[in-house]
Amino acid sequence: DQQVKQNSPSLSVQEGRISILNCDYTNSMFDYFLWYKKYPAEGPTFLISISSIKDKNEDGRFTVFLNKSAKHLSLHIVPSQPGDSAVYFCAASDPGGSEKLVFGKGTKLTVNP
Amino acid sequence: DAGVTQSPTHLIKTRGQHVTLRCSPISGHKSVSWYQQVLGQGPQFIFQYYEKEERGRGNFPDRFSARQFPNYSSELNVNALLLGDSALYLCASSLVLFSNQPQHFGDGTRLSIL
Repeated sequence: DQQVKQNSPSLSVQEGRISILNCDYTNSMFDYFLWYKKYPAEGPTFLISISSIKDKNEDGRFTVFLNKSAKHLSLHIVPSQPGDSAVYFCAASDPGGSEKLVFGKGTKLTVNP
Repeated sequence: DAGVTQSPTHLIKTRGQHVTLRCSPISGHKSVSWYQQVLGQGPQFIFQYYEKEERGRGNFPDRFSARQFPNYSSELNVNALLLGDSALYLCASSLVLFSNQPQHFGDGTRLSIL
């Protein structure tokens, strides 16, 4: 039973355009959400996060939006660059006794020059 | 500043053997978590340790065990290895618990079971 879902396995965009990566979750107890980027042969790199008390968080070219009523979050990258090509994972922090992260399956983003 | 370091980077074992994976957290970080990532999936939570105590355990068999040392480094042990244990094992550290601080990952240990 997947609690965090990334329904798009892949996404291709042109350099300079906006990339929008989506994530849905089922557990309303999740209180902290994160996006990680992963290159081959490297570990996941933290990108940006958002607390459940907010609906938007920005960091440079990256913005995360949270819609709690829809249990949906999205990552916007503007403008997209070829170096952004990687697998992006959405994760949610489960507050039940530990801070275990529950991950989606990832979306492979390709930014074409 | 050094990030999360894991050793070894690659390991090849045969079925039935045991393995020990090691992790050093970012300096000052007291929480260490272990995740398993198989191809095509996101990382799956195995254990979390904070101040040398187990704070969380994922849905993995008892063949998996871990511990955290006084210097906050950690070991993951897997006994009686199965082919299905072939995966990337990731270690992550964070400053403290319940602070809404992100976990930072190492580059992992790639374990192959023959």
